[in-house]
Amino acid sequence: GQNIDQPTEMTATEGAIVQINCTYQTSGFNGLFWYQQHAGEAPTFLSYNVLDGLEEKGRFSSFLSRSKGYSYLLLKELQMKDSASYLCAVGNTGGFKTIFGAGTRLFVKA
Amino acid sequence: GAGVSQSPSNKVTEKGKDVELRCDPISGHTALYWYRQSLGQGLEFLIYFQGNSAPDKSGLPSDRFSAERTGGSVSTLTIQRTQQEDSAVYLCASSPTGSTNEKLFFGSGTQLSVL
Repeated sequence: GQNIDQPTEMTATEGAIVQINCTYQTSGFNGLFWYQQHAGEAPTFLSYNVLDGLEEKGRFSSFLSRSKGYSYLLLKELQMKDSASYLCAVGNTGGFKTIFGAGTRLFVKA
Repeated sequence: GAGVSQSPSNKVTEKGKDVELRCDPISGHTALYWYRQSLGQGLEFLIYFQGNSAPDKSGLPSDRFSAERTGGSVSTLTIQRTQQEDSAVYLCASSPTGSTNEKLFFGSGTQLSVL
């Protein structure tokens, strides 16, 4: 089957670092995406990993281990505006669609 | 240019009525997707269009749901005889070629409420 798991909710403090994990099992793999979705808004692209390792982009970094079916999104120097849902998604070669996890709601507190 | 445009942004309907949701993708994008997002849930794939190819309808939850894409651009998602469980946000997305290593560009969605 196809499955993407990530924690439902996380809480972190402004200025801190938070890591959001994602594990996946899919019939095909063509890269892993992270999207950010603020309440009531459309998801927006954050990162894409297709090779193992860490991709850094400003305060956000994303890691991938294909052998473990595992990824994480690392957010540094948290700001209140980072409070949002973070969606892990896999580009699936077994069909032309991207499969999404249920998302992790991140609450950043002062 | 403009992003993905969806209309209406909100739709309230009575159980049993038909509704049409519209999506205007980014110009030049050949791939168009419909997803459904229920409250607090992830994105559920509904249907995918790629150029002139037959659409992938594998995610449509019942035969009450249908979609078309005219001229390789605008798409309409139709839900017949709406049920309360159809209440959700319907998101449309497009991408340049439809390859699954491309990021998706999402519209703001249509919030459908079935009373």
